Amino acid sequence: GEDVEQSLFLSVREGDSSVINCTYTDSSSTYLYWYKQEPGAGLQLLTYIFSNMDMKQDQRLTVLLNKKDKHLSLRIADTQTGDSAIYFCADLSNTGKLIFGQGTTLQVKP
Amino acid sequence: DTEVTQTPKHLVMGMTNKKSLKCEQHMGHRAMYWYKQKAKKPPELMFVYSYEKLSINESVPSRFSPECPNSSLLNLHLHALQPEDSALYLCASSQDSFLFNQPQHFGDGTRLSIL
Repeated sequence: GEDVEQSLFLSVREGDSSVINCTYTDSSSTYLYWYKQEPGAGLQLLTYIFSNMDMKQDQRLTVLLNKKDKHLSLRIADTQTGDSAIYFCADLSNTGKLIFGQGTTLQVKP
Repeated sequence: DTEVTQTPKHLVMGMTNKKSLKCEQHMGHRAMYWYKQKAKKPPELMFVYSYEKLSINESVPSRFSPECPNSSLLNLHLHALQPEDSALYLCASSQDSFLFNQPQHFGDGTRLSIL
């Protein structure tokens, strides 16, 4: 079946760039999403990318998509302590269901 | 600020109680979802309503009963829950469950504890 995988943990220093990686197996993926979840909160939609795009930039966020390798990454420039959270990559399957990765915990050290 | 509102934020109930979780959105979305999320895990889909009709039930036990009274409201009725049902319950909505360019927007969830 469809699967999405992410590394579980990333630690960076404040001001550095963070890169969170994700791989997926569904070759018919149309849209791929990044969600952020802060402690005690729901999921906040950060950004999404259509499968025929290579890159999307939105302020400090850059999403890169390598469709051949089924690899997605989220780069956060100038990472701040407020960026500490769990980041979920998600693939919208052709059944309309979101397939989530396990989530990457981003720790930002001052 | 989230545009999907869930109440209550926290709920503690005994295994014999009956309670309901509520979700409301005013974005004109026609698809609404219930998810269950355990700590440090991704959300797991439970139910999908599309145009006020139940379109997906992910083999959820009957002690969870969803209801969609109108296009803005989604309820989850709870009865005779088990301790393992303690979790964060998230509601989400999207413009249409079959429009692939319309992302799901989540509420902040109800944290449910079963004693």
